[in-house]
Amino acid sequence: GDSVTQMEGPVTLSEEAFLTINCTYTATGYPSLFWYVQYPGEGLQLLLKATKADDKGSNKGFEATYRKETTSFHLEKGSVQVSDSAVYFCALSSGNQFYFGTGTSLTVIP
Amino acid sequence: DTEVTQTPKHLVMGMTNKKSLKCEQHMGHRAMYWYKQKAKKPPELMFVYSYEKLSINESVPSRFSPECPNSSLLNLHLHALQPEDSALYLCASSQVGLAGDTQYFGPGTRLTVL
Repeated sequence: GDSVTQMEGPVTLSEEAFLTINCTYTATGYPSLFWYVQYPGEGLQLLLKATKADDKGSNKGFEATYRKETTSFHLEKGSVQVSDSAVYFCALSSGNQFYFGTGTSLTVIP
Repeated sequence: DTEVTQTPKHLVMGMTNKKSLKCEQHMGHRAMYWYKQKAKKPPELMFVYSYEKLSINESVPSRFSPECPNSSLLNLHLHALQPEDSALYLCASSQVGLAGDTQYFGPGTRLTVL
């Protein structure tokens, strides 16, 4: 079945460091891919999305490219801030279902 | 506007109580979802409504009863819950519930069952 495998956390970085959170997927069709962010005590917010191969989603300095050849959708940011501390979920939409990764907790220290 | 609202924000209830969670969206979306999220875990799908009809029930115990009175509202009625039902309950909506639809989430209701 369809699934998402996400890099285990937690991840701790210093402010202005480079961030990569790995996400790979398994899907039978042509899914859409998403990154959601969840700040402490809040719901999930859409961070970015990509709907087809080679699409790049970007928002707030975060980027992810839909790579069909490697079935990946890795999240990157060039310079993280303390305010980026949150849990990040990779997700796949296939049919009428969403499949979430396990989540990666990011802590950015000043 | 991509806002989904949920009330209440927090709820504490005993095992014999009956309570309801409410979710509302005014984006014209025709698919709405209930998820349960335990600490440090991803959301788990409970129910999906498509065009006000229940389309997916992920084998959720009958002590959880969803209701979709109209295309903007989604309720979750709770009765005789167990302490292990304590969790963050998230509502989401999407345009029509098809492949590729973006789901927009509400802030959640933090439920504690005593």
